[in-house]
Amino acid sequence: DAKTTQPPSMDCAEGRAANLPCNHSTISGNEYVYWYRQIHSQGPQYIIHGLKNNETNEMASLIITEDRKSSTLILPHATLRDTAVYYCIVRSNSGNTPLVFGKGTRLSVIA
Amino acid sequence: DAGVTQSPTHLIKTRGQQVTLRCSPKSGHDTVSWYQQALGQGPQFIFQYYEEEERQRGNFPDRFSGHQFPNYSSELNVNALLLGDSALYLCASSGRTNPPYEQYFGPGTRLTVT
Repeated sequence: DAKTTQPPSMDCAEGRAANLPCNHSTISGNEYVYWYRQIHSQGPQYIIHGLKNNETNEMASLIITEDRKSSTLILPHATLRDTAVYYCIVRSNSGNTPLVFGKGTRLSVIA
Repeated sequence: DAGVTQSPTHLIKTRGQQVTLRCSPKSGHDTVSWYQQALGQGPQFIFQYYEEEERQRGNFPDRFSGHQFPNYSSELNVNALLLGDSALYLCASSGRTNPPYEQYFGPGTRLTVT
């Protein structure tokens, strides 16, 4: 079973920041937080991952709370093409372990 | 640089039949994982292949089997198809010895069992 809890859906106005929350209260010390997204009828796409420090790349920023029990994915300037299902995944760092997906958050970016 | 490719794109089979799906990993990757995604659900892990052997397996029956070839490409076989096997089948490739083991997904094969 997935070790994360996410809201089923969210809306965001185009051009505004989209903040997607994720709860992972049972995360272990050797587990990373990964984010993937899946645009309709495509395979999931890797976005970002982190252990305990905040991370940023060209796609998004990941903010992890100090106790690591929750995190937020931030898309700084959402566009219509960011409409997708976003999955927050907790994954062990001890090798190439499977990804355990929940139902994710369906983000709708509105013009 | 080609990404992960899968074939066929769509497939329709009848209950009781057998099906084979194919996957070619991203260049430089040696590990292939297969996932099943039912409508409205997140992908579920089936199994992972590395060095032509099944290394990890999810909670799927023996009707689901696979193979990996020396060029790292892989096949997923499903025997005695059930209506409940209708789903999007996703292949993901990664480098076994390269942390953080990001998995890159293909576009999937949509299987419909009638």
